[in-house]
Amino acid sequence: DIQMTQSPSTLSASIGDRVTITCRASQSIGSYLAWYQQKPGKAPKLLIYEASSLESGVPSRFSGSGSGTEFTLTISSLQPDDFATYYCQHYNSHQYTFGQGTKLEIK
Amino acid sequence: QVELAQSGAEVKKPGASVKVSCKTSGYTFTNYGITWVRQAPGQGLEWMGWISVYNGDTKYVKEFQGRVTMTTDTATNTAYMEVRRLRSDDTAVYYCARGAIGTKLDPWGQGTLVTVSS
Repeated sequence: DIQMTQSPSTLSASIGDRVTITCRASQSIGSYLAWYQQKPGKAPKLLIYEASSLESGVPSRFSGSGSGTEFTLTISSLQPDDFATYYCQHYNSHQYTFGQGTKLEIK
Repeated sequence: QVELAQSGAEVKKPGASVKVSCKTSGYTFTNYGITWVRQAPGQGLEWMGWISVYNGDTKYVKEFQGRVTMTTDTATNTAYMEVRRLRSDDTAVYYCARGAIGTKLDPWGQGTLVTVSS
């Protein structure tokens, strides 16, 4: 099975910072990758799909890149609403696999 | 707008069963699949399986095969997931999400907390 590994597990940053979260796949997955944001007590929310496509309604400060085995989620200028946990997810015709999550905290 | 509304929290004893519902609205139910994901307290997201609303095909994660059943009711646009022989480590929030196998998951239901305790 394909494994997804995110780094870092926790990230401390300040309002206005540019932050990047990395997700690595144990084997090539093409561009079959999504990113989700989850706030405490809430369901995950889709941000990015197909590695770099921004979901409708998601602010443009969020962007995704990568293909194959290495992917990144970048937030260009952190806003107060962005402090949350972020998950990458690989999807294919056989399985969904989530990364372990990255908690973005206020510094 | 597209919405998935899940049933309320449940408390069950070990060995019991639970059936969680996911009522959908705002889209053509049979055009998409429904995926189920769970999240144990303080932990990450775990995919459990998927059902095609169109033809009822299912795919379950191996560890849940034989203990989990996913179904749909096209008359009420509702998906269901039953978990049998509950254990304490099944305590989690269970989410449904719209999405065919191999596609993005969007949107998600609000989640259903299932607590398994003697």
